[in-house]
Amino acid sequence: EPEVTQTPSHQVTQMGQEVILRCVPISNHLYFYWYRQILGQKVEFLVSFYNNEISEKSEIFDDQFSVERPDGSNFTLKIRSTKLEDSAMYFCASSETSGYSNQPQHFGDGTRLSIL
Amino acid sequence: AQSVTQLDSQVPVFEEAPVELRCNYSSSVSVYLFWYVQYPNQGLQLLLKYLSGSTLVKGINGFEAEFNKSQTSFHLRKPSVHISDTAEYFCAVSRPTGFQKLVFGTGTRLLVSP
Repeated sequence: EPEVTQTPSHQVTQMGQEVILRCVPISNHLYFYWYRQILGQKVEFLVSFYNNEISEKSEIFDDQFSVERPDGSNFTLKIRSTKLEDSAMYFCASSETSGYSNQPQHFGDGTRLSIL
Repeated sequence: AQSVTQLDSQVPVFEEAPVELRCNYSSSVSVYLFWYVQYPNQGLQLLLKYLSGSTLVKGINGFEAEFNKSQTSFHLRKPSVHISDTAEYFCAVSRPTGFQKLVFGTGTRLLVSP
């Protein structure tokens, strides 16, 4: 079964440094998402992306965050200047369609980001 | 806006016993409802979903859930659990139109012991 793959599985970064988290969505999917889960807390929506544009973003997704689909396969989340509170598990998800569709979101295994 | 409440942070149960994990939601519009499971060091895997139609939905691994609109609930059940069901279970909702941003509950850890 096709999978969403995320790299790296664990990223350790110094505070203030830039970090890029990478995701390869399922190949025929058109809608892409990033979520994060701070240790011990709920999974929170960050951003959704369709047709090379952000379609929705949460309050968490401030100017320090950006997303990009640099080629036909990768979907990246960049944090420009990391803060301690950015430490979390970041999940990428993709779906074939949305809205009236029956297709659910498929999640990757996540990247654990640790800010020192 | 939508919100999800999972009242039980942890549910211990013995193997082969039945289990119910509770989920209540709040929304001013109709919603789609989902249960996801997260095994240790893995991502979120869809167990089942309710979009419309029959209020009893069956998912993978013998799980089922019942949508109750009047009680705004979507409780997850399994008649007989296995050790391998030990995991974190998340209830989630999304709007039925537009982009399917998922709003998650805080999760329930199911601990199955022999």
